[in-house]
Amino acid sequence: NAGVTQTPKFQVLKTGQSMTLQCAQDMNHNSMYWYRQDPGMGLRLIYYSASEGTTDKGEVPNGYNVSRLNKREFSLRLESAAPSQTSVYFCASSPGQLEAFFGQGTRLTVV
Amino acid sequence: QQPVQSPQAVILREGEDAVINCSSSKALYSVHWYRQKHGEAPVFLMILLKGGEQKGHEKISASFNEKKQQSSLYLTASQLSYSGTYFCGTYTGGFKTIFGAGTRLFVKA
Repeated sequence: NAGVTQTPKFQVLKTGQSMTLQCAQDMNHNSMYWYRQDPGMGLRLIYYSASEGTTDKGEVPNGYNVSRLNKREFSLRLESAAPSQTSVYFCASSPGQLEAFFGQGTRLTVV
Repeated sequence: QQPVQSPQAVILREGEDAVINCSSSKALYSVHWYRQKHGEAPVFLMILLKGGEQKGHEKISASFNEKKQQSSLYLTASQLSYSGTYFCGTYTGGFKTIFGAGTRLFVKA
């Protein structure tokens, strides 16, 4: 029972490079989310997708784009990475306004 | 807008009780509570729904005051395994949950 799977687990980028963080869930949830976690800031919502085919901005969307490829997959793209995007990124899914299930996180460092 | 959690950090001895508070400036449909161990993903503990329904953990309880837009998490007879960072997540509609900055709890023997 995989739950929410994120890849990669670790990544180091140079400033200006691009990359895509992948997320897949096998729980048939409609809603999926991308959060970033920084020390002392908690979990801040970057983008979310209420259902397949829809995406919306969260609290801190600047510098990111997302794609809800199908019901299972929700990817996060950094087009031109900046040091301020160094963070731990969590993907989560939820059946609605109920509890969220989180992936194990991607630790991203931008140098 | 991010809900406000208090206190920011708590140190307890095993067996002591703690209360963690979460306050929102917006009307709430539900409040979620999660615990995160260092280096791990947040794990769901409890959800409190508008109207009083509560679902979650058998050893941890919580309250939800809809009028005051506040929730409190009660940890009784704390155990070493309770150590971690506790987050409240508030759902105000629109399919998104916004989290507080977290409360760090350390339980020592």
